[in-house]
Amino acid sequence: QKEVEQDPGPLSVPEGAIVSLNCTYSNSAFQYFMWYRQYSRKGPELLMYTYSSGNKEDGRFTAQVDKSSKYISLFIRDSQPSDSATYLCATRLSIQGAQKLVFGQGTRLTINP
Amino acid sequence: EAQVTQNPRYLITVTGKKLTVTCSQNMNHEYMSWYRQDPGLGLRQIYYSMNVEVTDKGDVPEGYKVSRKEKRNFPLILESPSPNQTSLYFCASSLTGAKLFFGSGTQLSVL
Repeated sequence: QKEVEQDPGPLSVPEGAIVSLNCTYSNSAFQYFMWYRQYSRKGPELLMYTYSSGNKEDGRFTAQVDKSSKYISLFIRDSQPSDSATYLCATRLSIQGAQKLVFGQGTRLTINP
Repeated sequence: EAQVTQNPRYLITVTGKKLTVTCSQNMNHEYMSWYRQDPGLGLRQIYYSMNVEVTDKGDVPEGYKVSRKEKRNFPLILESPSPNQTSLYFCASSLTGAKLFFGSGTQLSVL
């Protein structure tokens, strides 16, 4: 079983729709949760970063973490064609000074005008 | 401009011919890391470095070497590349190891 599972999609929705992207993780020791966005032929860029359970909002984006269920989500409101990209969830923990960062497979999202 | 610079962007080589992919960051970050990205497998960590002269294996280190002689540079070395190392490679840096800044990637093909 992969430590972080993410539906690879692809996911295609009309402009203006609410998008929900989800990941599950297996290790309850993971402490930090991130969402990265990756445009075609580019490196991933950090979109959202959170430590605790609950919601974190940034503009049209909301990251949600449920540690009891080991479930992380990213919601995109009023989706735009410029949101078309691959979205990767990631989790991180520190073990005796070492950093372990694990990514999901990424979900390819297309927003249709 | 704060950035992580990888070179080259594209590289085609043959089996067994040693190669180095360079990575440099101008943000004075202590943490640097290398990933490979393959379809269906996502990003997998190859090696990481917490500081100068401190490196450690990630999830898929076999066939790779790294060095961290200076804070800004973290080259990835393939001593004897094989076709299964054909992949898209990313270098990343971070102040703490969580909020990563990625380079633009190196597409490597080993024939």
